[in-house]
Amino acid sequence: SQTIHQWPATLVQPVGSPLSLECTVEGTSNPNLYWYRQAAGRGLQLLFYSVGIGQISSEVPQNLSASRPQDRQFILSSKKLLLSDSGFYLCAWSGPTGVGQPQHFGDGTRLSIL
Amino acid sequence: DAKTTQPPSMDCAEGRAANLPCNHSTISGNEYVYWYRQIHSQGPQYIIHGLKNNETNEMASLIITEDRKSSTLILPHATLRDTAVYYCIVRVKGTYKYIFGTGTRLKVLA
Repeated sequence: SQTIHQWPATLVQPVGSPLSLECTVEGTSNPNLYWYRQAAGRGLQLLFYSVGIGQISSEVPQNLSASRPQDRQFILSSKKLLLSDSGFYLCAWSGPTGVGQPQHFGDGTRLSIL
Repeated sequence: DAKTTQPPSMDCAEGRAANLPCNHSTISGNEYVYWYRQIHSQGPQYIIHGLKNNETNEMASLIITEDRKSSTLILPHATLRDTAVYYCIVRVKGTYKYIFGTGTRLKVLA
């Protein structure tokens, strides 16, 4: 069966520090991968998605970036964190065709910027 | 862009059916409707999805109107553990993007 792993579960970082969040998927090949952010009490905001290695689509201009160095690995990064980067970050995967294939989410990373 | 509209909150008595509506009037002909729920501080959990026909699984039933412009998620016998935010989403036509709205906060009352 397919599983998705996301870490760390919680992270506290100072303003201006770098960030690296990692997500890996097991049990499937060529998944579509997604990064979302959720502010407190709000819905999910799509940040990036990827349909293949090295293929990244950015949805929201910001100081975050994403990379997909391997088929089942998706990394969210920042060189210098801002206070506004605080939130709940979620990684998700879906099957490669997308049609009729639901997304499956990780447990999320709660990021606090001090 | 594909968009869904849901009531912000609903209450349901424990043991009764919870019926959560969703409007998706701009849905494209071959796009599915997906339902998820999110319990506080957890990632969204997939519940069910459908295209035209009604669907049922061990968690819920999904009723889709004939014109496909709206749907209803039914939890047949709500329990306290069903208290969560429920999201109805569709994919943006021609892309791999899914747009989440603010969902419906369902509170199951004892």
